[in-house]
Amino acid sequence: NAGVTQTPKFQVLKTGQSMTLQCAQDMNHEYMSWYRQDPGMGLRLIHYSVGAGITDQGEVPNGYNVSRSTTEDFPLRLLSAAPSQTSVYFCASSPLQGGTQYFGPGTRLLVL
Amino acid sequence: GENVEQHPSTLSVQEGDSAVIKCTYSDSASNYFPWYKQELGKGPQLIIDIRSNVGEKKDQRIAVTLNKTAKHFSLHITETQPEDSAVYFCAASIIGNTPLVFGKGTRLSVIA
Repeated sequence: NAGVTQTPKFQVLKTGQSMTLQCAQDMNHEYMSWYRQDPGMGLRLIHYSVGAGITDQGEVPNGYNVSRSTTEDFPLRLLSAAPSQTSVYFCASSPLQGGTQYFGPGTRLLVL
Repeated sequence: GENVEQHPSTLSVQEGDSAVIKCTYSDSASNYFPWYKQELGKGPQLIIDIRSNVGEKKDQRIAVTLNKTAKHFSLHITETQPEDSAVYFCAASIIGNTPLVFGKGTRLSVIA
């Protein structure tokens, strides 16, 4: 099992550009989520999904879009990147909402 | 919604001493309390968790205690080693019902 994989590992964007952060899991988990990690702010939930075709907003959803067409994949889209979105992004999956989460290695994003 | 407070934000201990990290939560309905360890450049990994029907759980040098009445839980690491140096996060949820909400993290440094 590869677990949770994320691509790319690192990305530099210019303000206004769009991009998609990829996340995939091979554990057949129903629940997937995206967090951003900023210094001193901990892990803040952006969006989550309890199953294919179902998504919901977390604490900090503005500027981000998600979709869940398959159980395995949960991409995060930045519609128009802003410097405030400079962060480390983690994808996680779990058999159950609110249960043990398995995190990917993260994507470090720099928006200039 | 749930709010999780974590203290201290940084902690330095001598190798072999004990370390204690404390968290409080706001939603009395929360019933799942995991602890994650994040090493530099990696995603968080679960190290121990506890459910609300248990007051204490141990796994070798790591233990977690839960006080439901006071709505706080703590991580105890005994006989600390340099490899325990990392950032530790607590979290809380209603398992099967709400997403995990994380504390802001504690950076633990174990000095040899």
